[in-house]
Amino acid sequence: DSGVTQTPKHLITATGQRVTLRCSPRSGDLSVYWYQQSLDQGLQFLIQYYNGEERAKGNILERFSAQQFPDLHSELNLSSLELGDSALYFCASSVTSGGVVYTDTQYFGPGTRLTVL
Amino acid sequence: AQSVTQPDIHITVSEGASLELRCNYSYGATPYLFWYVQSPGQGLQLLLKYFSGDTLVQGIKGFEAEFKRSQSSFNLRKPSVHWSDAAEYFCAVGDMEYGNKLVFGAGTILRVKS
Repeated sequence: DSGVTQTPKHLITATGQRVTLRCSPRSGDLSVYWYQQSLDQGLQFLIQYYNGEERAKGNILERFSAQQFPDLHSELNLSSLELGDSALYFCASSVTSGGVVYTDTQYFGPGTRLTVL
Repeated sequence: AQSVTQPDIHITVSEGASLELRCNYSYGATPYLFWYVQSPGQGLQLLLKYFSGDTLVQGIKGFEAEFKRSQSSFNLRKPSVHWSDAAEYFCAVGDMEYGNKLVFGAGTILRVKS
C-alpha cells in the first residue's frame, strides 16, 4: 500500500458525459501527478500540482482539467468523454520539499479504470 | 526530448532462472532512473531508483539494476525469479526540465513458467 488513495476504482459512463476522479496523496506529500495508461499510448504524464498550484502540464487534452485543494487532495475532471478516453488513470504523489526536487520519488495510487461506452 | 526504450515487450523465464530486463534512456543531463512493477489490476510499485553514486542499486524483492552511462542503459536484474514476479515492469526517467514528470517506457511483461 503506497498511501495514495484514488476513488472510484471503476467508472463506467457514456460518451459526452463528464466525470471526476479523486486522489488523496500520502500524508506530507505536497505534489500530486496525474498519469493516463492506455493500450495505444502507454503511460503518459498529464499534469502536476504542487501545494495547490499547477507545476507542469503534459499532453493533457483541453477537455480535461485538474485542481489541488487546500487539504492537498486533487481531482481530475474529464468532460465531453470520448471512447478513446477509456483508460486507467493514476495519481501519484511526492514530497517535493522546498529545495531540490530532482530526487523526488513518486508513489502511485491503485488507479481509476474509466470505461466510456 | 527524453525517452525510454524497453526493447522486449514480453519475456518468459523459468522459475528459479535469472532475469534481466533491458532499459535504454535518452536524456541530456544526469538521468534519474526508476523501475516500477505493475501486477494485474494493481497500481505501480517502486522497485528501485538511481539518482547518483553507486551505479549498482538494490531494490525490493531481490531486484537490482545497474546504471551504465556509456550505454545509456539501466537494466533490471534478479538472480532467481519466483512465480510471484510475473507482472509488467516499467522503466522511467525523471524529466527535470519540466516539473518533475516521469517518462515511461512501454513496459515489459514478464511471464514465469514452472
